[in-house]
Amino acid sequence: TQLLEQSPQFLSIQEGENLTVYCNSSSVFSSLQWYRQEPGEGPVLLVTVVTGGEVKKLKRLTFQFGDARKDSSLHITAAQPGDTGLYLCAVNTGGFKTIFGAGTRLFVKA
Amino acid sequence: DADVTQTPRNRITKTGKRIMLECSQTKGHDRMYWYRQDPGLGLRLIYYSFDVKDINKGEISDGYSVSRQAQAKFSLSLESAIPNQTALYFCATSDHDRGLYNEQFFGPGTRLTVL
Repeated sequence: TQLLEQSPQFLSIQEGENLTVYCNSSSVFSSLQWYRQEPGEGPVLLVTVVTGGEVKKLKRLTFQFGDARKDSSLHITAAQPGDTGLYLCAVNTGGFKTIFGAGTRLFVKA
Repeated sequence: DADVTQTPRNRITKTGKRIMLECSQTKGHDRMYWYRQDPGLGLRLIYYSFDVKDINKGEISDGYSVSRQAQAKFSLSLESAIPNQTALYFCATSDHDRGLYNEQFFGPGTRLTVL
């Protein structure tokens, strides 16, 4: 069983649609990160959320940390083909090691 | 120029061969990591180093070794490659000043195929 469960595993949508992907755990975390990985490249940090209930916005992307700091969501408004990629959530488990979820692979069709 | 670079970007080798993957960074970070990525399994930590004299095993270190030659350089070796080591390999760095969050900065990856 993975520490972080991401859902859905795969999502294919049309340009202009909205979507939400999730990162869930039974553990409590002091912070959580979201990364995006495009084909042929390494993951790139999008955001770090720290406070329970925190909401952060990055253009059309909205990130929320659950009140209990066990889960997080990423909402994309009016998805564009450039949003295509693998979205990974990650947490610092202490000892300065970062654990990653398996990711949600998003494909946005033009 | 990229802050974290990896060489080679692609490598095909045969079972039993020794291979080294190299990573260099210009971010000035003291912490460096090696991960492998397999479909459906996400990123798994192989080794990590917090300083030139510090080497730590991650969750899947068997069959791998590392060397931290300088603060900016961290290399990963497969002493005797086997087919199930076929994967994408990523080097990453993090800044100890952001230690509470341990945000990772990745290189572009090396695609390794072991035949």
